[in-house]
Amino acid sequence: GAGVSQSPRYKVAKRGQDVALRCDPISGHVSLFWYQQALGQGPEFLTYFQNEAQLDKSGLPSDRFFAERPEGSVSTLKIQRTQQEDSAVYLCASSLSRVKDGNGYTFGSGTRLTVV
Amino acid sequence: AQSVTQLGSHVSVSEGALVLLRCNYSSSVPPYLFWYVQYPNQGLQLLLKYTSAATLVKGINGFEAEFKKSETSFHLTKPSAHMSDAAEYFCAVTNTGTASKLTFGTGTRLQVTL
Repeated sequence: GAGVSQSPRYKVAKRGQDVALRCDPISGHVSLFWYQQALGQGPEFLTYFQNEAQLDKSGLPSDRFFAERPEGSVSTLKIQRTQQEDSAVYLCASSLSRVKDGNGYTFGSGTRLTVV
Repeated sequence: AQSVTQLGSHVSVSEGALVLLRCNYSSSVPPYLFWYVQYPNQGLQLLLKYTSAATLVKGINGFEAEFKKSETSFHLTKPSAHMSDAAEYFCAVTNTGTASKLTFGTGTRLQVTL
């Protein structure tokens, strides 16, 4: 597609519920990133994929967070047993190359998760 | 470790006035620096980036930033603000030692008044 597509745009989950957030990157983009943006804060890195390989998951806040990109294209961020502190906007970004300088990121519009 | 500090969470300027958004960085190796803009309910859009070439970087929408190593700064400027510039602006840093992972500042909300 023309841009990075994320779905759903908004998600309300009851505390304890599992959620799955989808990211559809630009076709052919090798690198894919997930960021978490809490209200009033800058985005914080969660995890990074190069094709289907998850090369860095150092930003995942707990073992309730899991991300996958099984075929090297669409990625899913799953949060188990959601807590109120998980409420945030989850941003996905993709990049054409295996760049090491952040060049060429395209961000999606994000999924706003509210845990009640 | 790398980090950026954005001074001023809110900045208000009159239309036509100079815009100055401040960013200071900390990095143990030569950094790559970025400014992103975020409009309400949208993702981040790249304004400009510094990747060790020219220290004065020009971006989209008339914005520019100057890398000053001695001051560890990368402030964003625009000579004349427009109403459409009202948005949240984020400074971010990465370096050649990381796989493109960006570290963002907390953001500055720019308000433009008539």
